[in-house]
Amino acid sequence: GAVVSQHPSRVICKSGTSVKIECRSLDFQATTMFWYRQFPKQSLMLMATSNEGSKATYEQGVEKDKFLINHASLTLSTLTVTSAHPEDSSFYICSALAHRDIQYFGAGTRLSVL
Amino acid sequence: DQQVKQNSPSLSVQEGRISILNCDYTNSMFDYFLWYKKYPAEGPTFLISISSIKDKNEDGRFTVFLNKSAKHLSLHIVPSQPGDSAVYFCAASGGSNYKLTFGKGTLLTVNP
Repeated sequence: GAVVSQHPSRVICKSGTSVKIECRSLDFQATTMFWYRQFPKQSLMLMATSNEGSKATYEQGVEKDKFLINHASLTLSTLTVTSAHPEDSSFYICSALAHRDIQYFGAGTRLSVL
Repeated sequence: DQQVKQNSPSLSVQEGRISILNCDYTNSMFDYFLWYKKYPAEGPTFLISISSIKDKNEDGRFTVFLNKSAKHLSLHIVPSQPGDSAVYFCAASGGSNYKLTFGKGTLLTVNP
């Protein structure tokens, strides 16, 4: 149980375009999901907390207009990187909060902006 | 300010021996701690957790120890297996927002 699916696993896009990443909880409902970013050889950095039916809460320094988060249902949260630039290239990972206060993670999305 | 610290970037052990991964934290508001295992280009996989009301939690080959006074926790893996080779992240949370603060990870290599 507690499976989280993240799609796509890898995306390459041109600078200036937008990219949408989906995060789904497959066998449980998640009112709260999280979006992280990981730089090479670094830890996971929390970008935002996504709450079903309400606005996301962004961490300090994260541009909410650039990283749009939508949590429209209890099993789906999306992260849209708008007007992507090469510095947005990174590994993005989502998680969903399940029972016992445990976050279960998706497999991650490798974004490369050319 | 790094609130969760894993001071050993890497650890190498022989198959069958014990692996001990350490983690220190500074925020006294943290009351829930988790260990995750991560392979390259994949998301972290939950291993084991412990609440601050306990000092030990065991699940199969994995045991987590918590020393609140020292603000220190450790993950013991015994016996270690080559398949355990991965990066291990310590994470902590506190309060009602369930946000996790991660350490930088320790690369464990288990040699056959």
